[in-house]
Amino acid sequence: SYELTQPPSLSVSPGQTANITCSGHKLGDKYACWYQQKPGQSPVLVIYQDTKRPSGIPERFSGSNSGNTATLTISGTQAMDEADYYCQAWGNSLNWVFGGGTKLTVL
Amino acid sequence: EVQLVESGGGLVQPGGSLRLSCAASGFAFSSFAMGWVRQAPGKGLEWVSTISVTGGTTYYADSVKGRLTISRDNSEDTLYLRMSGLRVDDTAIYYCAKVGVSYEAFDAWGQGTMVAVSS
Repeated sequence: SYELTQPPSLSVSPGQTANITCSGHKLGDKYACWYQQKPGQSPVLVIYQDTKRPSGIPERFSGSNSGNTATLTISGTQAMDEADYYCQAWGNSLNWVFGGGTKLTVL
Repeated sequence: EVQLVESGGGLVQPGGSLRLSCAASGFAFSSFAMGWVRQAPGKGLEWVSTISVTGGTTYYADSVKGRLTISRDNSEDTLYLRMSGLRVDDTAIYYCAKVGVSYEAFDAWGQGTMVAVSS
């Protein structure tokens, strides 16, 4: 079965750039998207189709996907961005698959 | 505003059955595929199932195939998940989610309903 691998945790200082990676075999041939989940809340889509931001998502969130790695970049990270982030892939005969999640700490 | 409201969760014994419902509003329900995603306590997200706009095509994770059945009623704007042969490892929050136009992402989520399987 297809697997997506994320680092379990990442720490950044406020104002710095956070790069959260997601690795999978030929992931660049599929669509990748990203979700933010804060404690006790439902997930929120922050990036879809590799690079697109849904309405209402701040511009500091961006995405890329090439080769075997998709990356969620948060520029000028703020305290409110502290959350769990999940990548998810679909396409090219692949059903929906989630990565294990990355806990982002802003300190 | 898109709203998805799940119901039907609860405590059930191993081998038991439940039916989850998801009432949708604020969008053209019959025009979008829908899905279920679950999250075991303290764990990550796991895709469970997706259904096409008409209900004619369904997809399942290997872990639930043959035990969980997704369906929809477009006249009632409601999504369902029939669960049977429940196991302890099915214990999770079950989220109803709307599939976006690009089909690969879930662009709206409900608040979730808890299913606990225990003797």
